[in-house]
Amino acid sequence: EVQLVESGGGLVQPGGSLRLSCEASGFTLSSYSMTWVRQAPGKGLEWVATIDEDGSEIHYVDSVKGRFTISRDNAKNSHYLQMNSLRAEDTSIYYCARDHQLGGNEDCWGQGTLVTVSS
Amino acid sequence: DIQMTQSPSTLSASVGERVTITCRASQSISRWLAWYQQKPGKAPKPLIYKASTLESGVPSRFSGSGSGTEFTLTISSLQPDDFATYYCQQYSDYPRTFGQGTKVEIK
Repeated sequence: EVQLVESGGGLVQPGGSLRLSCEASGFTLSSYSMTWVRQAPGKGLEWVATIDEDGSEIHYVDSVKGRFTISRDNAKNSHYLQMNSLRAEDTSIYYCARDHQLGGNEDCWGQGTLVTVSS
Repeated sequence: DIQMTQSPSTLSASVGERVTITCRASQSISRWLAWYQQKPGKAPKPLIYKASTLESGVPSRFSGSGSGTEFTLTISSLQPDDFATYYCQQYSDYPRTFGQGTKVEIK
């Protein structure tokens, strides 16, 4: 069964850091680009970042550039989102997702992990 | 950035009704469009990619059409399990962007 499980969310003060992890199972991680999408409480979906199969191509939404870093470790079947200089507006559920091999949409999602930025 | 605009924002419908949701892109995205269904407290569920291709396991009452800047998601006969929020997403260019969502409510 294809599965993605996020971890690492929690409560953090403004200016703080968190590292989210996404562990994949049921498929070969190295064959897929991987993505993070977030959803603020009661709001819509926002694409955050995508990393290609070997980590050579990375894209971010402007609002997180210079603060967030997406990475992956195919040997550990995992990818990550390092979040620094967190702001209140980063408060969201963060979903990790697998990109479709035939396109760039997300065809498999984790259950999400909540990040709350508050003092 | 490519802006995605969905209409309506909320839709009230009865079981058995045919439902159509529209998604417009601010510039041409060819057919690089996906649709997702989300229920409260759950992750989005992929429904359609490349504008009209159903994901595996998605019921055939769902269909997608369109190209360029105008797209539609149609549910041919609304079922109780279909009451949810639906999002379109373009993946023609970065940043990938979502529509604001359409909530399908029980009439």
